[in-house]
Amino acid sequence: GIQVEQSPPDLILQEGANSTLRCNFSDSVNNLQWFHQNPWGQLINLFYIPSGTKQNGRLSATTVATERYSLLYISSSQTTDSGVYFCAVEPSNTGKLIFGQGTTLQVKP
Amino acid sequence: GAVVSQHPSRVICKSGTSVKIECRSLDFQATTMFWYRQFPKQSLMLMATSNEGSKATYEQGVEKDKFLINHASLTLSTLTVTSAHPEDSSFYICSQTENTEAFFGQGTRLTVV
Repeated sequence: GIQVEQSPPDLILQEGANSTLRCNFSDSVNNLQWFHQNPWGQLINLFYIPSGTKQNGRLSATTVATERYSLLYISSSQTTDSGVYFCAVEPSNTGKLIFGQGTTLQVKP
Repeated sequence: GAVVSQHPSRVICKSGTSVKIECRSLDFQATTMFWYRQFPKQSLMLMATSNEGSKATYEQGVEKDKFLINHASLTLSTLTVTSAHPEDSSFYICSQTENTEAFFGQGTRLTVV
């Protein structure tokens, strides 16, 4: 089956710093989403981005489907950005998602 | 996006008992819902696909007789963990898709003691 790898696994930033999270996937996918899991476990939708570039405030994402990777950019990080960031792909048009292992981000004040 | 409500958010049960988790679609009729499980410090893994009016389909390695799924209406899917054991302690979370984008419930943290 398809493999989804995220890097780095852990990241510690000082407040105000920028960061880039990466998601590689081993085969073509129907869809790709980025989520932020907060300390209570809830998954917050960040981007639905099977291809191209999107921006939402301090966050932006780019997916290069032909090269099978996606990047999540966080600029001017804040302590509230802390948590786990997951990339998830839908290999075929079934609605089923395969998640990467996540990047745990800690932003220090 | 779709609004998915999951209940309860947290439950503690005794070993051997059963626990029912509800997943409701508040603003969208979902013929299909998905159930995922997340063990501590791990990623989310799909357990099963809940199909309205028909049997659920389970991923490899998931015991269908232990994790009973019912999807009797277009707005409600339930997951029942039967004869729970401490190793079933986990975070269970449901999702539905709207226009191919997935939206998740709040999740249920199950602790079996």
